[in-house]
Amino acid sequence: ILNVEQSPQSLHVQEGDSTNFTCSFPSSNFYALHWYRWETAKSPEALFVMTLNGDEKKKGRISATLNTKEGYSYLYIKGSQPEDSATYLCASENNNAGNMLTFGGGTRLMVKP
Amino acid sequence: KAGVTQTPRYLIKTRGQQVTLSCSPISGHRSVSWYQQTPGQGLQFLFEYFSETQRNKGNFPGRFSGRQFSNSRSEMNVSTLELGDSALYLCASSSGGAGTDTQYFGPGTRLTVL
Repeated sequence: ILNVEQSPQSLHVQEGDSTNFTCSFPSSNFYALHWYRWETAKSPEALFVMTLNGDEKKKGRISATLNTKEGYSYLYIKGSQPEDSATYLCASENNNAGNMLTFGGGTRLMVKP
Repeated sequence: KAGVTQTPRYLIKTRGQQVTLSCSPISGHRSVSWYQQTPGQGLQFLFEYFSETQRNKGNFPGRFSGRQFSNSRSEMNVSTLELGDSALYLCASSSGGAGTDTQYFGPGTRLTVL
């Protein structure tokens, strides 16, 4: 059984603050790491898919890094805005025969104006 | 391009009944995966279908089954419902079905079992 862990579980920040979350995953048979943003009453929105050790990806004010050898990924948000408030999920793919994501419990971010 | 759609959005059933949920993937996508989300367990993988064949299966009892049609639409069936089956059921589609493909999620079906 794979365990994907995310920390912290929740985070309150002020508008303008920069923040980061951690996702740890089993490094054995690693294939890909996915990040999603999930706003209340909406569908989870794909942010990044990362596969290579040392990968860095960026989308606007959000960026992510990947360390497959030690089994962790960081998600960074620069200059948080109230619209960034959501649950951020990471998911590990440890199967190269299709789609079978193992999700972490998520980090709930609340940005106060 | 239309996104992933799921029907119905809400469903109330009683214990012992069965239920069928439907998922229409993004046009051209051949892989459909199903996930269950409960407050205590988070998002858990149920199964994945690719080209009408079940390719991967999670750790759920046999009461949970699915199928995929030639147009890639997928259905999920739960028989002999239990109270613990109350959850949000999400489906996700991807193009080629490789683990590196982005999976696009639908809005989910909220199932309540009384």
